[in-house]
Amino acid sequence: ETGVTQTPRHLVMGMTNKKSLKCEQHLGHNAMYWYKQSAKKPLELMFVYNFKEQTENNSVPSRFSPECPNSSHLFLHLHTLQPEDSALYLCASSQESSESSYNEQFFGPGTRLTVL
Amino acid sequence: AQSVTQPDIHITVSEGASLELRCNYSYGATPYLFWYVQSPGQGLQLLLKYFSGDTLVQGIKGFEAEFKRSQSSFNLRKPSVHWSDAAEYFCAVGAIGGSQGNLIFGKGTKLSVKP
Repeated sequence: ETGVTQTPRHLVMGMTNKKSLKCEQHLGHNAMYWYKQSAKKPLELMFVYNFKEQTENNSVPSRFSPECPNSSHLFLHLHTLQPEDSALYLCASSQESSESSYNEQFFGPGTRLTVL
Repeated sequence: AQSVTQPDIHITVSEGASLELRCNYSYGATPYLFWYVQSPGQGLQLLLKYFSGDTLVQGIKGFEAEFKRSQSSFNLRKPSVHWSDAAEYFCAVGAIGGSQGNLIFGKGTKLSVKP
């Protein structure tokens, strides 16, 4: 595998289900991100992990719970979601350093989530 | 507050024609500027970025963009569009000294290419 991979690619779940999205980066990066992409809305940053420590959560509802066990893997645990949470969830990674605020983020293909 | 505006939701051009996608940003200081492309069913891919220096930046796939501070714009251009360029294009801005990963994205412009 190369780049950033995400599984599953499609997920349909009921509001009472618990599921997890998985992201893996094969680029040796030290920062990973979760984004939400909804129709007709801008891409929204949900969580940032830098060196496995969460640094941003942007007021995301607690029904979304991230986990970053190591610098290559990132999970998004989902429980009691609402239909309005249906969206494309994108994972990204980058190599961050103190010298630069921004380095290119490499995106995975996303998980298309539908909440019934 | 920072913001990014992409005024065109959907643009259709003929194959071989030139293309310009508009992006305006709002931020008081010098921004970092990006253009990403998203093909159907795919994640975002970086086309080009502007941090400083020459205001005309070259990217992949024959794209270029010009930073115009006076107009707060960072428009994306391509002289001759190919059918494979059909995709959605996103402009994004980040602030120097801002939070890591805190990019503000526009709503995107969907490009369709006529044969």
